[in-house]
Amino acid sequence: DVVMTQSPLSLPVTLGQPASISCRSSQSLVYSDGDTYLNWFQQRPGQSPRRLIYKVSTRDSGVPDRFSGSGSGTDFTLKISRVEAEDVGVYYCMQGTYWPYSFGQGTKLEIK
Amino acid sequence: EVQLVESGGGLVQPGRSLRLSCTASGFSFGAYAMSWVRQAPGKGLEWVGFIRSKAYGGTTEYAASVKGRFTISRDDSKSIAYLQMNSLTIEDTAVYYCRGEGYFDYWGQGTLVTVSS
Repeated sequence: DVVMTQSPLSLPVTLGQPASISCRSSQSLVYSDGDTYLNWFQQRPGQSPRRLIYKVSTRDSGVPDRFSGSGSGTDFTLKISRVEAEDVGVYYCMQGTYWPYSFGQGTKLEIK
Repeated sequence: EVQLVESGGGLVQPGRSLRLSCTASGFSFGAYAMSWVRQAPGKGLEWVGFIRSKAYGGTTEYAASVKGRFTISRDDSKSIAYLQMNSLTIEDTAVYYCRGEGYFDYWGQGTLVTVSS
């Protein structure tokens, strides 16, 4: 099974400052069709998860453009250009290339 | 308005069964793959299983931790996805979310399953 490893697990950030979360997979997430099925989810306190990014770098509808995804192969990054108060929560990467799908451990973003 | 509403959660004894339902509205349910994701108290997200749309065979995939005990099905005429859970253990205690996967990504509010004697 594919293991997803996120870092850091805790991320204190000052409002208006950038933030970056790393996600590494135990094997390449490039599928046979050439696409890479790496997603990023946000879970705000007390809420259901919400997908932010799919296929490494495509933002979902309604996601602010301060969120961006990048990476390839086994190394991926979620960046927030300027953290706002509403960004507090836990962020998960998830691979959808191999069965069973798998999530990272989660990164808790808090305001310093 | 798009909605996914999970139901059927509750307190159940170890070894017993429970069936969760996920009722969808506001989108073309039949065109979407549906999956279940769970979250144990204070823990991260765990992928449970997945059912493809009928256009892709309606087949299923499961996490190793639930394979052979859990079964996902769907009734497109009612826009409902099901999660049949058998031989429940304490480790299955979690909030269970259903998720619709397609061009858009939809999540329900979750339903709590507590397995305890």
